[in-house]
Amino acid sequence: DVKVTQSSRYLVKRTGEKVFLECVQDMDHENMFWYRQDPGLGLRLIYFSYDVKMKEKGDIPEGYSVSREKKERFSLILESASTNQTSMYLCASSLPGTGLTRGLFFGSGTQLSVL
Amino acid sequence: EDKVVQSPLSLVVHEGDTVTLNCSYEVTNFRSLLWYKQEKKAPTFLFMLTSSGIEKKSGRLSSILDKKELFSILNITATQTGDSAVYLCAGTDNAGNNRKLIWGLGTSLAVNP
Repeated sequence: DVKVTQSSRYLVKRTGEKVFLECVQDMDHENMFWYRQDPGLGLRLIYFSYDVKMKEKGDIPEGYSVSREKKERFSLILESASTNQTSMYLCASSLPGTGLTRGLFFGSGTQLSVL
Repeated sequence: EDKVVQSPLSLVVHEGDTVTLNCSYEVTNFRSLLWYKQEKKAPTFLFMLTSSGIEKKSGRLSSILDKKELFSILNITATQTGDSAVYLCAGTDNAGNNRKLIWGLGTSLAVNP
């Protein structure tokens, strides 16, 4: 089974802190994604990576950056955390192209609270 | 603007009931529609449907897409408490790189014993 592992289930940070959310997948997937999920707003794509060192902005990239130095690892960085970044963060991976027939594989999520 | 709308937003049923969840979509260059089940945290993939109209089944779950009316339904028969979850649907377009998934807000299903 594909496993997508997010380093933390719960995280509490202070406003202004730099925050790193880590995601590792073990199935050699090319595509990796970071979403945030908020009540009433659903899943929103922050960033997407289709290869090592490649990234594309999603729908809400402001305030975030990403890093993909190795194929299996995709990191989300909050340069200076703000209270409006309190959210559930979900990482996902997939194969390119035909990956749509198998869908995305999600990690268990990180609930981030910024105080 | 592309959009996916799910209904109802929430639903409470008793064990053994049959439920139908709805997902309507407006996606430019539509390719497929995906259903996911989200328990606690991680959404898990259920079905992928295309305009072929082929019904997908897995145990008590089934789903079909109506390409003319632009909607899909997810049926769950003989519901169990383990079916309690948020069910998400997402539309994809022909970009083919998964980046353009358009998500609905989900239907929260609670199955009471």
